[in-house]
Amino acid sequence: DTGVSQNPRHKITKRGQNVTFRCDPISEHNRLYWYRQTLGQGPEFLTYFQNEAQLEKSRLLSDRFSAERPKGSFSTLEIQRTEQGDSAMYLCASTPTESNQPQHFGDGTRLSIL
Amino acid sequence: GEDVEQSLFLSVREGDSSVINCTYTDSSSTYLYWYKQEPGAGLQLLTYIFSNMDMKQDQRLTVLLNKKDKHLSLRIADTQTGDSAIYFCAENAGANNLFFGTGTRLTVIP
Repeated sequence: DTGVSQNPRHKITKRGQNVTFRCDPISEHNRLYWYRQTLGQGPEFLTYFQNEAQLEKSRLLSDRFSAERPKGSFSTLEIQRTEQGDSAMYLCASTPTESNQPQHFGDGTRLSIL
Repeated sequence: GEDVEQSLFLSVREGDSSVINCTYTDSSSTYLYWYKQEPGAGLQLLTYIFSNMDMKQDQRLTVLLNKKDKHLSLRIADTQTGDSAIYFCAENAGANNLFFGTGTRLTVIP
């Protein structure tokens, strides 16, 4: 069990560029979550997948954001036309299917918009 | 709604006990969690408690839950410098995702 893996760890880009992050969950974990954490705040929920199905999206997930989990294993989060306000840590977590199992987090991808 | 509150800062001397407090609002939460975050890192699950329990102990960690007052606490015995971090309380509020507090920054003074 290697834990939840996220790549890249850091991403610096210019405003207006597109960025894509990857998350590899713990193997055999069916549920995968994306959160955003801004400086001095706790993580805020963005979206989650049960296998390849995206079951819930928060209102924080604007139309510039898209997440996929095509084969029910790894997931990608893409942000198009990045804005200054997108600067944050993007965290991924996974759990088994059973409800209320604790979520295990990766080390996150820190996005900085110049 | 989901509103998890924590005090922002706590300082303790090495070897003392630390108590980090949290209040939550949603009585439908079935589980409550404590996570630890070190600088530049993700969240590490420390412990969690089912809502029908009052207390859970795990080595140096003791979690107390007062469901009537919606109050959760984390006690760290014999606090060490390696315990310096931000501690987050989280509830599931009957949903599939977690709702987090703003975190308590624990500073351990040698």
